[in-house]
Amino acid sequence: AQKITQTQPGMFVQEKEAVTLDCTYDTSDQSYGLFWYKQPSSGEMIFLIYQGSYDEQNATEGRYSLNFQKARKSANLVISASQLGDSAMYFCAMPVGLTGGGNKLTFGTGTQLKVEL
Amino acid sequence: GAGVSQSPRYKVAKRGQDVALRCDPISGHVSLFWYQQALGQGPEFLTYFQNEAQLDKSGLPSDRFFAERPEGSVSTLKIQRTQQEDSAVYLCASSLEVGAANTGELFFGEGSRLTVL
Repeated sequence: AQKITQTQPGMFVQEKEAVTLDCTYDTSDQSYGLFWYKQPSSGEMIFLIYQGSYDEQNATEGRYSLNFQKARKSANLVISASQLGDSAMYFCAMPVGLTGGGNKLTFGTGTQLKVEL
Repeated sequence: GAGVSQSPRYKVAKRGQDVALRCDPISGHVSLFWYQQALGQGPEFLTYFQNEAQLDKSGLPSDRFFAERPEGSVSTLKIQRTQQEDSAVYLCASSLEVGAANTGELFFGEGSRLTVL
């Protein structure tokens, strides 16, 4: 069964600095995807970035990039030039197949990021 | 509205009461998911609809939990005889296509926070 592990319950970073949020995963599938979502205090889950297991390059979306190391089964999120608005919970997630078709997302336990002045 | 709408945003129930949580997905979205998020944890899958068909309900924690989507749009999650361990945020998510969870194109609501006293 797929499993997502996030070992950092909380992280602090100074404004304008870069920060790396760790995510390791376990799956027996050859083809899979990995996601990062942001959850601000309002509660809504916001999609940030996606990495496919067969993508040749690490995914990037603006200030977000994925440090994808397939052999180590890790997909760490790098946020560059941190902003106060980046303070939120961050979740790593992986799709798992559902009976009857479709996929659900399995989430890690999350990392609470606090950006400081 | 443009996004996934959930109501009520906050609900306080006495132990033993029944509650109903509503999700209004983005118009035209085929897939609809319910997740339960306990404090400090990642969201846990509850159930999945494709149009009006409930294709997977493997995550529902007990037979006190019931979900429906009778016309393939609005969905209701009902919890009967609420217990304290039901206290959590209940998130609804929708997507345009089946399998869109594979590409991260899941749109989440802000959730309904249930507190059972």
